[in-house]
Formats: sequence, C-alpha cells, structure tokens
Amino acid sequence: AQTVTQSQPEMSVQEAETVTLSCTYDTSESDYYLFWYKQPPSRQMILVIRQEAYKQQNATENRFSVNFQKAAKSFSLKISDSQLGDAAMYFCAYRSAETSGSRLTFGEGTQLTVNP
Amino acid sequence: EPEVTQTPSHQVTQMGQEVILRCVPISNHLYFYWYRQILGQKVEFLVSFYNNEISEKSEIFDDQFSVERPDGSNFTLKIRSTKLEDSAMYFCASSEFVGGDTQYFGPGTRLTVL
Repeated sequence: AQTVTQSQPEMSVQEAETVTLSCTYDTSESDYYLFWYKQPPSRQMILVIRQEAYKQQNATENRFSVNFQKAAKSFSLKISDSQLGDAAMYFCAYRSAETSGSRLTFGEGTQLTVNP
Repeated sequence: EPEVTQTPSHQVTQMGQEVILRCVPISNHLYFYWYRQILGQKVEFLVSFYNNEISEKSEIFDDQFSVERPDGSNFTLKIRSTKLEDSAMYFCASSEFVGGDTQYFGPGTRLTVL
C-alpha cells in the first residue's frame, strides 16, 4: 500500500517570502499522480497543484510550484511571495494511475502560518 | 465556477441514530467519493462510486455505511447506527473521469455524535 509522509507538522513564513513544504511517498508503482491540497480554517479542501509522474517537468500554478524528484519519491511545494491568505493546512496526496482504484492517499498535513 | 455542495454543514446526533449526509457533485462529473477527517488527523478515503455502484471502498467503510445516488443530482452517505468514533468531518468529492483526474471537494459536513 502507498504511504504519504509530511515530516513538518508546522511551518511559518514572513509575508512576501518563500516557503517550501516537504512531502515524501512510498510506492512500488511507476505511474501515479501527486497533488497538493490546501485546507483553510473553513476546512474546505482546495486543490493547489497537481503533478503527473510521467512528466519530468515540474508543475507550476502562479505562485505555487513543485519540486518533483521521482527517484527520491519526493514532492515538495514551494510558495513564492507568500500572502496572508496562504495560511492554511496543506496536504500532500497520492493517487495511483496503474490500478483501477481511485482513492487519494493523504499525508498528515503541514500547518502553514504566514506572519505579517 | 461549478462546485460541490454538501448539506448540512453541521449535524449533531445521538449515538445509535441514523444519519444521512447529502452531496451535490459537479453536474458533468461521473465519479463520486466520500472521505472523512477525524479532528486533528489526516483525511481518509471511505468509498468511490460510479455508474450506480461502489467501485472501491476502504476498510473503514463497513456494513454501517452505505451510499446512494437517489436521483440525477444527489449523492448520499448513510450511517445506520452512529458511534462516538464516527464524529468527524465528512467530505464529498467528484471527478469528471477516473484515473488521475482531479477530485474536487465539497465544504464538508461536520458530524458530532453524542
């Protein structure tokens, strides 16, 4: 079974600075998808960014980018020019592309604080 | 922008009672999911649903749980006899396709079992 690990329970960043959230995963599969979701205090899960494992190019979405290292099974999220609205819990998630299963497997989450 | 909606936002029930949590997925989506998040813990997969049947379920999804798509728009999760440990946030999600397609989440229903 796949596992996802986020080793940083809490992170903080100054407004306008850059922060990187870490995520590692364990899988024997070669084809899969990785996601970062944001959960603000309202607790809604909001998609931040997605990466296909077969793509070597790192995904970017405005101020959000990932560093995908397939061999190391690492998938970190970089937030540039941090804003107060970025404060939230961030979850890394894995989804297989090889099996018929469709479940997302989540990490434990990283609580991000943005200081003004 | 289309979004997944869930009702109620908060449900309080007595242990042993039945509850039904409701979701309206995004209209052109064909795959539906339920997840739960116990306070302070990670989000856990419960079940996925396609073409009016369960396509995958987790070990959490035992006989106390059931899902249904009673009409063309709603997707429900029923817990037959609630337990204290069922207290959690329940999220519905939907996706247009299966495979790697992105799952879009609703705002969640907070279930409190007393």
